[in-house]
Amino acid sequence: GQNIDQPTEMTATEGAIVQINCTYQTSGFNGLFWYQQHAGEAPTFLSYNVLDGLEEKGRFSSFLSRSKGYSYLLLKELQMKDSASYLCAVLCWGNAGNMLTFGGGTRLMVKP
Amino acid sequence: ETGVTQTPRHLVMGMTNKKSLKCEQHLGHNAMYWYKQSAKKPLELMFVYSLEERVENNSVPSRFSPECPNSSHLFLHLHTLQPEDSALYLCASSQENSGEHNEQFFGPGTRLTVL
Repeated sequence: GQNIDQPTEMTATEGAIVQINCTYQTSGFNGLFWYQQHAGEAPTFLSYNVLDGLEEKGRFSSFLSRSKGYSYLLLKELQMKDSASYLCAVLCWGNAGNMLTFGGGTRLMVKP
Repeated sequence: ETGVTQTPRHLVMGMTNKKSLKCEQHLGHNAMYWYKQSAKKPLELMFVYSLEERVENNSVPSRFSPECPNSSHLFLHLHTLQPEDSALYLCASSQENSGEHNEQFFGPGTRLTVL
């Protein structure tokens, strides 16, 4: 089966930088997604990595190391609106095609 | 707005009721999904439909019955549910085999409470 681990909660200060880690053990790896989910709302796409390295998109960056089964999401210049859950999800190829398996999510609280 | 809508947004039902959740996607995608999100648990994949054919069931109890009449609509029929089925039910869609990374777009979810 697939196993995805990420911290349950993190707290950071407005204007700071925070790194949310995700480790995974899967078969048929076909990419890793990060989603943002505000309370009571739908998850929204943040990033996708399939090759090793860093992908930068504005204040958000995502890193992947396939050999280590490791990814992180880096949030810079934190804003209060960044308070949300951040979901790590691994795309795996199996008998039923490409399937997403989600981690439990990391609830980030940004304080003034 | 992600292009995926769900109704109702909130639903309260008794264990003997029958109800249906509806999902519609306006993105021209060819795959649709039902997920269950319970408190303090990861998103759990329930059903996958690709090209209107069910390809994944994930051992969901038979009191949940999906229906996909066309590529834009997905239903989840509910009957004789249990209180532990109370959760947020999320629908998603994606374009499979597009050569892109198959990003899934989520609807806002239906908050279900079973009394």
